[in-house]
Amino acid sequence: SQQGEEDPQALSIQEGENATMNCSYKTSINNLQWYRQNSGRGLVHLILIRSNEREKHSGRLRVTLDTSKKSSSLLITASRAADTASYFCATGDTGRRALTFGSGTRLQVQP
Amino acid sequence: DAGVTQSPTHLIKTRGQQVTLRCSPISGHKSVSWYQQVLGQGPQFIFQYYEKEERGRGNFPDRFSARQFPNYSSELNVNALLLGDSALYLCASSAGGGQANTEAFFGQGTRLTVV
Repeated sequence: SQQGEEDPQALSIQEGENATMNCSYKTSINNLQWYRQNSGRGLVHLILIRSNEREKHSGRLRVTLDTSKKSSSLLITASRAADTASYFCATGDTGRRALTFGSGTRLQVQP
Repeated sequence: DAGVTQSPTHLIKTRGQQVTLRCSPISGHKSVSWYQQVLGQGPQFIFQYYEKEERGRGNFPDRFSARQFPNYSSELNVNALLLGDSALYLCASSAGGGQANTEAFFGQGTRLTVV
């Protein structure tokens, strides 16, 4: 079963705009990770945020984590057509060695 | 350096048949996990192996099995294929004992179609 849900399920924006995706999860976690997937192929790791962190940046990416609300957000600033992909959050919890993925947000960036 | 490699990239099988999927992790990585991704959904955990031992199993029937070899490569076997087994099968490797606490590196996947 899925750990949580991404919101929105689909997002369409213009190049240069910011894109915000949200992720909710259900159990206690050690960390939360965001991955990108192009055209149904392999996943690419974007960023990992640990449960004791509240915000993390990597290039044009900004991730926040609110463990009290069991939620995270991914912000992509100044989006580009190449950012068009599906984005998944994945949680690592204390009881499992594997990642539990959400259902993903499909981002379309119009040139 | 080569990333995670999976073979084959595409496969078409008939219901009831058996299939073997292969994965080579990044050099130096001892942990390999398998995920199933059905169209429109996120990946679902199937198995994790570390140092050639099974360390985790997801909610999949016994028709699914896997193993890890001394060189840390891995095979996923699925017996008695059903139409519902059609999916993208992803292999991930990581340096530590599990993907849950570290960055996981994914292969490009094997697209399995059962007809």
